[in-house]
Amino acid sequence: AQTVTQSQPEMSVQEAETVTLSCTYDTSENNYYLFWYKQPPSRQMILVIRQEAYKQQNATENRFSVNFQKAAKSFSLKISDSQLGDTAMYFCAFMPQGGSEKLVFGKGTKLTVNP
Amino acid sequence: NAGVTQTPKFRVLKTGQSMTLLCAQDMNHEYMYWYRQDPGMGLRLIHYSVGEGTTAKGEVPDGYNVSRLKKQNFLLGLESAAPSQTSVYFCASRAYRDRVTQPQHFGDGTRLSIL
Repeated sequence: AQTVTQSQPEMSVQEAETVTLSCTYDTSENNYYLFWYKQPPSRQMILVIRQEAYKQQNATENRFSVNFQKAAKSFSLKISDSQLGDTAMYFCAFMPQGGSEKLVFGKGTKLTVNP
Repeated sequence: NAGVTQTPKFRVLKTGQSMTLLCAQDMNHEYMYWYRQDPGMGLRLIHYSVGEGTTAKGEVPDGYNVSRLKKQNFLLGLESAAPSQTSVYFCASRAYRDRVTQPQHFGDGTRLSIL
């Protein structure tokens, strides 16, 4: 069974600085997808960034980028130039390619951006 | 463009009562999902559906039933509510295109309390 571990329950960062959230996962699959979702106080889950395991290049979306290390089964999220609106819970998630449709989530990291 | 809409947003039930949560999506997505989110936990998959008329069990299906009579709707039922089912429930949907995984789109959640 796949598992996703987020070892940082809470983090804080000053506005305009950079922060990195860590995520590790365990799977025997070779092809899969990884996601970072943001959940602000409004509760809605918002997709931040996604990575296909077969791609070596790290995904980037504006201020958000990932460091994907397939051999180490690590998928960290870097937020550059942090903004107050980035304050939220961040969830790392895993989905195998094909077959099971189960999106497996980590327990989340609560990020607070301080002015 | 409403996306994924969940009704109701809040509900309080007494132990043993029954209720149905409704999820509606207007994106013509094939796949739909029901998750629950408990404090300090990531989202856990209850049931999912890969198309109209089909459903399948997720990670925590006990005590819940689902139906997908129409492509746009996915219903989650609690036949005899228990306090352990107090949680925030999220519905999600995604498209299936050429076996490339599309991201899941989430509703705003339903906060359910069972006394």
